[in-house]
Amino acid sequence: DQQVKQNSPSLSVQEGRISILNCDYTNSMFDYFLWYKKYPAEGPTFLISISSIKDKNEDGRFTVFLNKSAKHLSLHIVPSQPGDSAVYFCAASDSGGGADGLTFGKGTHLIIQP
Amino acid sequence: DAGITQSPRHKVTETGTPVTLRCHQTENHRYMYWYRQDPGHGLRLIHYSYGVKDTDKGEVSDGYSVSRSKTEDFLLTLESATSSQTSVYFCAIRDRANTEAFFGQGTRLTVV
Repeated sequence: DQQVKQNSPSLSVQEGRISILNCDYTNSMFDYFLWYKKYPAEGPTFLISISSIKDKNEDGRFTVFLNKSAKHLSLHIVPSQPGDSAVYFCAASDSGGGADGLTFGKGTHLIIQP
Repeated sequence: DAGITQSPRHKVTETGTPVTLRCHQTENHRYMYWYRQDPGHGLRLIHYSYGVKDTDKGEVSDGYSVSRSKTEDFLLTLESATSSQTSVYFCAIRDRANTEAFFGQGTRLTVV
């Protein structure tokens, strides 16, 4: 039973436009959410996170929005650049679980077209 | 970059043989994790550790064991490798809850 869902396996966006990646979760105990970026043959790298006490967090071109009532978060990349082409994973954790680790979605392959 | 090293980076082994993957960190982080990445499944947690000699099972722990005798090292052992364990394995470290985890470069394991 998937607790973190990324329903779009791939997304194609033109360079310079906005990329919006979506993620849904089912576990209401999740209170910390993260986005990771992964290039082929490399480990995932942390991009941005948000705590459940906030509804928005911004870092340069990257903004994460959290809608707790809908159990939905999204990552906005503006403007999209060729180097943004990668697989993006949404992840969530329950701080009450302590060491339990992150639960990941299956990923969305973002392709930035020139 | 976080100081986390996985070894080996690539390994081919035969069905039924034991295999040990090593994760070494220099960050003194308390929590360490082993994940596997497979097409169509994303990253799934195998085992994790919350301190020396303190470990627990994750979502896909069958066929795997772990040990953590020192803060800096977390070993993942496949007691008798099977073809279904062909995967890319990632180690991750984390300082505390509600922070990001840092990942190693991964180990590509092929069981033939």
